[in-house]
Amino acid sequence: SYVLTQSSSGSVAPGQTATISCEGQNLGSKVVHWYQQKPGQAPVLVVYDNIGRASGIPERFSGSISGNTATLTITRVEAGDEADYFCQMWDSINDVVFGGGTKLTV
Amino acid sequence: EVRLVESGGGLVQPGGSLRLSCEASGFTFRSNSMTWVRQVPGKGLEWLSYINGGSTTVFYAGSVKGRFSISRDNPKQSLYLQMNSLRVEDTAVYYCARQSGIAAAIDAWGPGTLVTV
Repeated sequence: SYVLTQSSSGSVAPGQTATISCEGQNLGSKVVHWYQQKPGQAPVLVVYDNIGRASGIPERFSGSISGNTATLTITRVEAGDEADYFCQMWDSINDVVFGGGTKLTV
Repeated sequence: EVRLVESGGGLVQPGGSLRLSCEASGFTFRSNSMTWVRQVPGKGLEWLSYINGGSTTVFYAGSVKGRFSISRDNPKQSLYLQMNSLRVEDTAVYYCARQSGIAAAIDAWGPGTLVTV
């Protein structure tokens, strides 16, 4: 089965840049989406189709993809960005796949 | 405003059945594909099933295929998940969500309903 690998956690100081990675075989040839989930809440779409910013999401959030890695970048990190972040893609064999999630601490 | 509200969760014995419902509003339900995702508390997200607007295309994750059944009632703007032969490992929060295509992003989520087996 297809596996998306994320670091389990990461920390960043306020005002700095956070980069959250998602690795998978030949991921650069696929379409990846990113979600933010705060404690006790449902996930929220932040980036779609590798680089698209979802409605209402600040410009500080951006996505990129190259090789086997998709990356979610958050610039000028704020306390309110502290959350779990999940990557997701569709594979014709394995259907919809989520990464294990990265807990971002600010 | 897009709104999705799940109901039907609760406590069920192993081997039992449960039917989840999701009431949608704020968008043209019949024109949108829908999906179910679950999450064990404190763990990651797991996609379960997808259905297109006309109910002609349905997909299931291998972990629930043959046990769970997705359906929808467009006039009632409702999505359903019939869950049979429930196992302890099916304990999770179940989310109803909107997904315009199987490869598309999930752009709207309900608050979730907890199922405890």
